[in-house]
Amino acid sequence: AQSVAQPEDQVNVAEGNPLTVKCTYSVSGNPYLFWYVQYPNRGLQFLLKYITGDNLVKGSYGFEAEFNKSQTSFHLKKPSALVSDSALYFCAVRDRRTDKLIFGTGTRLQVFP
Amino acid sequence: DGGITQSPKYLFRKEGQNVTLSCEQNLNHDAMYWYRQDPGQGLRLIYYSQIVNDFQKGDIAEGYSVSREKKESFPLTVTSAQKNPTAFYLCASSWSLEVVTGELFFGEGSRLTVL
Repeated sequence: AQSVAQPEDQVNVAEGNPLTVKCTYSVSGNPYLFWYVQYPNRGLQFLLKYITGDNLVKGSYGFEAEFNKSQTSFHLKKPSALVSDSALYFCAVRDRRTDKLIFGTGTRLQVFP
Repeated sequence: DGGITQSPKYLFRKEGQNVTLSCEQNLNHDAMYWYRQDPGQGLRLIYYSQIVNDFQKGDIAEGYSVSREKKESFPLTVTSAQKNPTAFYLCASSWSLEVVTGELFFGEGSRLTVL
């Protein structure tokens, strides 16, 4: 079965420090991978996607993600965290059977001043 | 401004009542979706639609119904048959159903509480 996993329910980081939010996937064939962010009581906003090409994908708000095929991972990263980055982050992968997105359970990022 | 509007933002319902959540988009997108969000479970797809007067069941369609009479509108009815309707409901749209062509645009959600 195709799936995506976010192993951490919450990630805490101090402002100014680098942050990583982890995502691993399980799909057959080449994966299409996405990151979305959700601020409290709001809808999700698209951050970035990997379809093909360069393994390092740059997205909105200074975020980037690294596709690692050997480790089946697509971790979200930012060199210097801001308090305003505090939100719920979702990783998603395309279901090849239905062409719909399968979302992970989400990781809450808390950035402390 | 272009976007997706969901209403109401908060809704309370007594058991046994049907409720309808509104979703309107002015992005001229063909595809529209309804997701349900529960704590610790991520987003689950309820229904989706590619064109007017056509829609498909998602992973958890039981107890829900939709219509797509206009391109810009995709209302969701939570019926009394839905056993656990308390949740945060998100409407989304995209240019097409093909995931690779672009991202989903989400509304701000509707929080339904059954009393």
